[in-house]
Amino acid sequence: DSGVTQTPKHLITATGQRVTLRCSPRSGDLSVYWYQQSLDQGLQFLIQYYNGEERAKGNILERFSAQQFPDLHSELNLSSLELGDSALYFCASSPGQVNTEAFFGQGTRLTVV
Amino acid sequence: AQSVTQLGSHVSVSEGALVLLRCNYSSSVPPYLFWYVQYPNQGLQLLLKYTTGATLVKGINGFEAEFKKSETSFHLTKPSAHMSDAAEYFCAVSVRTGNQFYFGTGTSLTVIP
Repeated sequence: DSGVTQTPKHLITATGQRVTLRCSPRSGDLSVYWYQQSLDQGLQFLIQYYNGEERAKGNILERFSAQQFPDLHSELNLSSLELGDSALYFCASSPGQVNTEAFFGQGTRLTVV
Repeated sequence: AQSVTQLGSHVSVSEGALVLLRCNYSSSVPPYLFWYVQYPNQGLQLLLKYTTGATLVKGINGFEAEFKKSETSFHLTKPSAHMSDAAEYFCAVSVRTGNQFYFGTGTSLTVIP
């Protein structure tokens, strides 16, 4: 158990809909990272938050957004969903901004039908 | 910018044989290097990491990796494969001043009885 909690584990939704994925980092970790894992794209970095502020952006679509709340949990919002958004979405956390280690959650499997 | 190349998307070894998974990286500054393992329907678990110091690093489950700066490599080895080693393995790179981990495309390890 990495200490990173992601909910829900599975999500099935229709095209055009909006969903919210939730992540609770390990106790004491200030950084949260979101990754998308799909068969054709591999592990793609989406976005990083550190202590409530956005720190880095990767290949995140404009239809996607994220935030980190004062209690350090984070949410990834995916809207106007398309079939191609079906993937595993991972959250990871690390103690600081420096990437010496990241702890991954079990992921949320999103299926868009 | 940093990048990772994992040679061989699929590797098969016999139980008891040497495991060698290859990883080459590109980085303009001293890298931090990681190997993660992903079992089916699981998140990523850190196997081992190199940040500074000794170039031969030992990880969990009998795995080790050697940082070779001259070859820009960080290959993962295990002297004797076990059936439980069957999984997906990801090499990743980050840097001290960076904000994200860059992952390779992964190598699927099959262990043949």
